[in-house]
Order: sequence, then structure tokens, then C-alpha cells
Amino acid sequence: LAKTTQPISMDSYEGQEVNITCSHNNIATNDYITWYQQFPSQGPRFIIQGYKTKVTNEVASLFIPADRKSSTLSLPRVSLSDTAVYYCLVGDIFAIMNSGYSTLTFGKGTMLLVSP
Amino acid sequence: SQTIHQWPATLVQPVGSPLSLECTVEGTSNPNLYWYRQAAGRGLQLLFYSVGIGQISSEVPQNLSASRPQDRQFILSSKKLLLSDSGFYLCAWRTQGRNSPLHFGNGTRLTVT
Repeated sequence: LAKTTQPISMDSYEGQEVNITCSHNNIATNDYITWYQQFPSQGPRFIIQGYKTKVTNEVASLFIPADRKSSTLSLPRVSLSDTAVYYCLVGDIFAIMNSGYSTLTFGKGTMLLVSP
Repeated sequence: SQTIHQWPATLVQPVGSPLSLECTVEGTSNPNLYWYRQAAGRGLQLLFYSVGIGQISSEVPQNLSASRPQDRQFILSSKKLLLSDSGFYLCAWRTQGRNSPLHFGNGTRLTVT
């Protein structure tokens, strides 16, 4: 089970770049790293997913070092609407089908507060 | 495009009453379906998952049950609710493809009184 560790909270200001790091020392070979965003009273929303090196989409970048024991979600130029909880999820859904053992367990996430 | 519908949005039920939460997915076939619960403190706990009709796996022993009567329908039930069943219940789906991401519904806020 690839347990993840994230900061409980982070503060930032509008226009700044925010980097949220997730530690996953026990990540397995088949595990992918996925980040979700959640607003109050809503379901988590998929942001980005990667396996190694760097992945970028229209909303974020994901940096994964060679040892894959950590990952960093980078949000460029945050706005007030980026205030939310961000979850790092590490796991391989394929393992569920074969062994019945779930690795898709969310941690407590990082509460990002963006101020004016 | 694919969409997920979850209802009701909020629900207040007395202790000992039954529960039925429904989730349906549109725009895809043979999805993997999930029920999560989120209690105060923000973490999400996986309750049930299903890889096909009639196939349900439970992650946590409890007084809840799940059923999948149709390919894109997932139901969470209880015969008798407990106070500890209060929480935010989320349904999610993903394709069968390896490491495809989860897509969540907007959740049901359940308060057991």
C-alpha cells in the first residue's frame, strides 16, 4: 500500500505559483500518481496523472523525480477560485481486480487557501 | 460525453430507518463503479466497488450494502441507519482501462438524527 503524505494546509496569494508536494516512499512499480481537487460539498475533480518525469496539461504540471518517491503538483498563477483541498492518490487499479486489495485510498489532502 | 448523476443531494434520516442512494453513469459502458464516504476531516474512505453487473466488493465491514442491478447503476443501501453513518457519500466511475482516473459525482450529504 503506497501511503501518501501531504502538508495539511498551504497559503498563497493570487497570481503566485503554488507547489504541493506529496511523499509516497512505498510506491510500487505499477502505481500511477493522480491528483484531485475538491471544493466544499462537491465530489473530487481529476486534475492530472503521471508515472514519471513531467506531465503538463491546461491547468497544472506534475513533476515526478526518477525515484518516484515523491511528486509535486504545480499550479501556475493561482486565483481565488483555486482555494480547495488537493489530494494526491497513488495506486494501481489493476491490483484491485486481481487481488481484491484496494490501493485507491485517499489521504486527508492539502487545504490550499488563496488570498487576494 | 460521460456524466454521472447522484441523488439525492441531501438527506436527513432518523436512526434505524432504511437508506437508498442511487448513482447512474451516462455515456459509457461497463464502467467500474465506486462508493466512497467522506467524514469530517476530509479523507475519503472506499466503501464498495464493482467491476460488473452483480459484482460487488466491500472494503469496510459495516451495516451498508451495495448493488449493481444494471451496467451503469450503482445503489448504496442500509436496512437500519446508525448515527455513525452520517457523512458525505460519493459515487465515482472509471473506465476499465488501466490507471484511468476516477470521476466523481457531486455527492449526497447524509445526516442521521
